[in-house]
Formats: sequence, C-alpha cells, structure tokens
Amino acid sequence: NAGVMQNPRHLVRRRGQEARLRCSPMKGHSHVYWYRQLPEEGLKFMVYLQKENIIDESGMPKERFSAEFPKEGPSILRIQQVVRGDSAAYFCASSATSGGTQETQYFGPGTRLLVL
Amino acid sequence: QKEVEQNSGPLSVPEGAIASLNCTYSDRGSQSFFWYRQYSGKSPELIMFIYSNGDKEDGRFTAQLNKASQYVSLLIRDSQPSDSATYLCAVNRGANNFNKFYFGSGTKLNVKP
Repeated sequence: NAGVMQNPRHLVRRRGQEARLRCSPMKGHSHVYWYRQLPEEGLKFMVYLQKENIIDESGMPKERFSAEFPKEGPSILRIQQVVRGDSAAYFCASSATSGGTQETQYFGPGTRLLVL
Repeated sequence: QKEVEQNSGPLSVPEGAIASLNCTYSDRGSQSFFWYRQYSGKSPELIMFIYSNGDKEDGRFTAQLNKASQYVSLLIRDSQPSDSATYLCAVNRGANNFNKFYFGSGTKLNVKP
C-alpha cells in the first residue's frame, strides 16, 4: 500500500494521559501536514513539517501539542495531558514537494481520538 | 470572515440530476483550489483541482473557477446515490503560505434514489 498510513486508527485515552499519533507519508513524499476535524466541522490545519523541520505550526495549540518528523521513521503528533476537548479525528496528509501552489495533498485514514 | 465558506447543506438532489456545490474564499491572492469528497467516518479523497479561471471537466465532475468573484464550484452530473457525501473545498493561498490548505466546513450532499 503506497498510500499515507496512520496508526493507530482508534485511540482511547483518559484525561491526563498522553496520546501519540503516527503518520507515514506516501512513498516519495517528504512533506507532512496534520489536520484536526471535530464532528460536523471542516478540517483545521495544525502543522506542516518536512524531514527534521517544522515549517509552519501556526495551527498548533501553544500548550500540550507537539509534532516531529525525524530523519528516519514516521511523523508523530503528540498530545500531552489530554482533555475531553481533544477528542477528534486527526488526519495526516502528505505531498511530494512544497511545490508552490499546485501541489496536491493526499490524506491518510485518520486517527480517531476519544478522551474519556 | 472565514477563509473559505461553504453552505453546510444538506443539499438534496434526485438521482440523475445535476448537483451544484459552491465555495467562496476571502483571499484574492489564492492560487489553487481543490475539491475533496469525504464519506462519513472516512478521510478526505481528492476529486479535482483547478488553477485557472474557467471550467475543468473530469468525467461527471466539472470544477468552475472565477477568481474575480472569488468563487469556485463543483458540478456533479448524473448524480448517483454513491455521490452522497460531504464535499470539502480547499484553497491554497500561495507561495508565502507554502502548501497550506484552508478548508471550508463542507457541504453535505444527499442523492435520493
């Protein structure tokens, strides 16, 4: 499967625990984007990363959220001390390059986070 | 004002009809425009993209762009029940924003058999 991969697909955490979401981009893609989607709402941009660099994190909450895309391995979105409001679907997308304005983003299946 | 606005719907059309989905955007400098389809509980799936004013056709789908009016639409001809989904409009504002997409909240389409 050469598509964008995310795991886990479903994640249940209790308030105060940590959630770690993983994303492996499509083969040949080096740019990763994380989005959050609340029920019945659109996608909200969180962060854009290239290998070992955070390019744009303007959509990330200032506290408890962090993201990385190491030289080896998947991109990881980490949420510390989760609260019920963090319950959402988290989607990862990838693109081949930053490509200016015509580069398409392809989405993974998402991780559904439920905070009890 | 939201970056990208869509009517949330639901838009109901009978099978075989033309479904027309609309999207407006606020930044006149926006460069490229994408339509994604999202089935309930699934991830967004790219349908079409358009960069230039005018129409772009792909099978039963036609994207229309009018940069002067800051308006982009998606027409679905011969609508099928399997087209029932939420359609997301995404806008890329240009090089200074890298490849950052702004999404509308989506229009829910119901195609009735």
